[in-house]
Amino acid sequence: NAGVTQTPKFQVLKTGQSMTLQCAQDMNHEYMSWYRQDPGMGLRLIHYSVGAGITDQGEVPNGYNVSRSTTEDFPLRLLSAAPSQTSVYFCASSYTVRGEAFFGQGTRLTVV
Amino acid sequence: KNEVEQSPQNLTAQEGEFITINCSYSVGISALHWLQQHPGGGIVSLFMLSSGKKKHGRLIATINIQEKHSSLHITASHPRDSAVYICAGWGYTDKLIFGTGTRLQVFP
Repeated sequence: NAGVTQTPKFQVLKTGQSMTLQCAQDMNHEYMSWYRQDPGMGLRLIHYSVGAGITDQGEVPNGYNVSRSTTEDFPLRLLSAAPSQTSVYFCASSYTVRGEAFFGQGTRLTVV
Repeated sequence: KNEVEQSPQNLTAQEGEFITINCSYSVGISALHWLQQHPGGGIVSLFMLSSGKKKHGRLIATINIQEKHSSLHITASHPRDSAVYICAGWGYTDKLIFGTGTRLQVFP
């Protein structure tokens, strides 16, 4: 098993550009989630999904879209990047809600 | 005030010392993770526990759900233990609630 795979690892965007951060897991996990990590603030939940076809907003959803068309994939879309979205993004999955969470390696995003 | 508080925020130790990191939470949780993050690295789950104690090598985690407190202990610390340690609880809203982390540096 590859676990949770995030791509890309690093990305620089210009303000206003769009991009998709990819997250895939091969453990047949139902629960997937996206977090951003900023200095001094800990990890904050952006969006999460309890299964294919079901998504919900977290603590900081503005500026981000998600979809969950398959169990394996949970992409995070930035429609119009802003400097405030400069952060490190982590995807995580667990077999069920409240199960042991597995994290991807992170994507370091800089918006200039 | 954060729903999950960790202490200390920063910790330095000499190799071989016994280390304790504490996590207290003010909301109901069903289980708690201890996570490790090396500088510039990904996040790894060390433990998930909902009661009692778990041990893995030199790492021991304990939790008291009633007192809303968990501790992570590292015995015989080593420089490779230098990392940020994060506790995160599963709240009853189906979301992980994170502490802000404890930065540990172990010097040889």
